Amino acid sequence: DAGITQSPRYKITETGRQVTLMCHQTWSHSYMFWYRQDLGHGLRLIYYSAAADITDKGEVPDGYVVSRSKTENFPLTLESATRSQTSVYFCASSETGYMEQFFGPGTRLTVL
Amino acid sequence: QKEVEQNSGPLSVPEGAIASLNCTYSDRGSQSFFWYRQYSGKSPELIMSIYSNGDKEDGRFTAQLNKASQYVSLLIRDSQPSDSATYLCAVNTGTASKLTFGTGTRLQVTL
Repeated sequence: DAGITQSPRYKITETGRQVTLMCHQTWSHSYMFWYRQDLGHGLRLIYYSAAADITDKGEVPDGYVVSRSKTENFPLTLESATRSQTSVYFCASSETGYMEQFFGPGTRLTVL
Repeated sequence: QKEVEQNSGPLSVPEGAIASLNCTYSDRGSQSFFWYRQYSGKSPELIMSIYSNGDKEDGRFTAQLNKASQYVSLLIRDSQPSDSATYLCAVNTGTASKLTFGTGTRLQVTL
């Protein structure tokens, strides 16, 4: 029972490169979320999805793209990485938008 | 005013004591309230959820919700060094299908 997994766990990239962070959950949860966590800001929502093919912006969506063709996968793409996108990224899932969310292990991304 | 506010700490309590963590929120329409524990370098882990006014107990943890005062708290009884972590308060704000997190309170349990 893997629950929710993220890959890669660590990534170093250069400014301007495209990066995709993967998220996979085995619970068949309808909702999936992407957060970034930075010192002094806490967890900030980037994008979320209520179901396959339904996505919506969160608090800090600029510079990010998401898709959700299958219920279990919710990839996050940085189209042209910038240093300000250096952060720890967490994926989470939930049965509904009002219930508890369960987090993946996170991806630590460094943009040089 | 931030939507969800927590004192950043650190809150230092001796082993065996009760730790009290507090959180206030601004949206009166909020319906769901959660406490997460996050160890350094790890992901947030759900420890309590509460949906109605009053207390909810689970082992050493008690969550308290007061919607009139827009206040939710977490009590940890018989605090252990392993409880040392950052505790995040999360609130489902109104009709939005998402959670807003506080910036967390760092708890240190001393021997």
